[in-house]
Amino acid sequence: EPEVTQTPSHQVTQMGQEVILRCVPISNHLYFYWYRQILGQKVEFLVSFYNNEISEKSEIFDDQFSVERPDGSNFTLKIRSTKLEDSAMYFCATSLRGGLIEQFFGPGTRLTVL
Amino acid sequence: AQKITQTQPGMFVQEKEAVTLDCTYDTSDPSYGLFWYKQPSSGEMIFLIYQGSYDQQNATEGRYSLNFQKARKSANLVISASQLGDSAMYFCATHSGGSNYKLTFGKGTLLTVNP
Repeated sequence: EPEVTQTPSHQVTQMGQEVILRCVPISNHLYFYWYRQILGQKVEFLVSFYNNEISEKSEIFDDQFSVERPDGSNFTLKIRSTKLEDSAMYFCATSLRGGLIEQFFGPGTRLTVL
Repeated sequence: AQKITQTQPGMFVQEKEAVTLDCTYDTSDPSYGLFWYKQPSSGEMIFLIYQGSYDQQNATEGRYSLNFQKARKSANLVISASQLGDSAMYFCATHSGGSNYKLTFGKGTLLTVNP
């Protein structure tokens, strides 16, 4: 069964460093999302991406965040200068199309900022 | 804006019994979807079941069913014949066509299945 994959599974970084989180969507899916979950809290929407541009972003998704799909397969989330409060689980999700259908989540990347 | 409320921080159930996890939602959009995801201790988010606001029948997927009561704005998850592997965090979520399909999650319910 096709699945969303994410790398790395765990990333440890120093405050102020840049990190890139990678996601490989299910091959025929067209809509991509990033969510984050701070430990013990609910999952929060960061950004949605369709047709090589951002569709919507939350207030969390400030100028230090960016997304792109550089090679038509990987979908990346970059955090330019990490802060302690960026420590969280980051989930990539994809859906076949827009509309009211399910989103499939990857296994997540646990980011720890020291 | 959408909002999901899950009022049960934790629930306990005996193995082989049924359990209902509560979820109420608030949205002004006429068209919306309701989802349940399972998050085991390993951390991944597993899609369980989906209900569209215009679906006439309650959604079912194996041992999972969604008790959708539109007038009460509730979308409770029913797990029948609980198994030890059902112990996990369960999140209710919604999205609507007017919000670029982003999911809004509740705070979750931690289900523990006792042998």
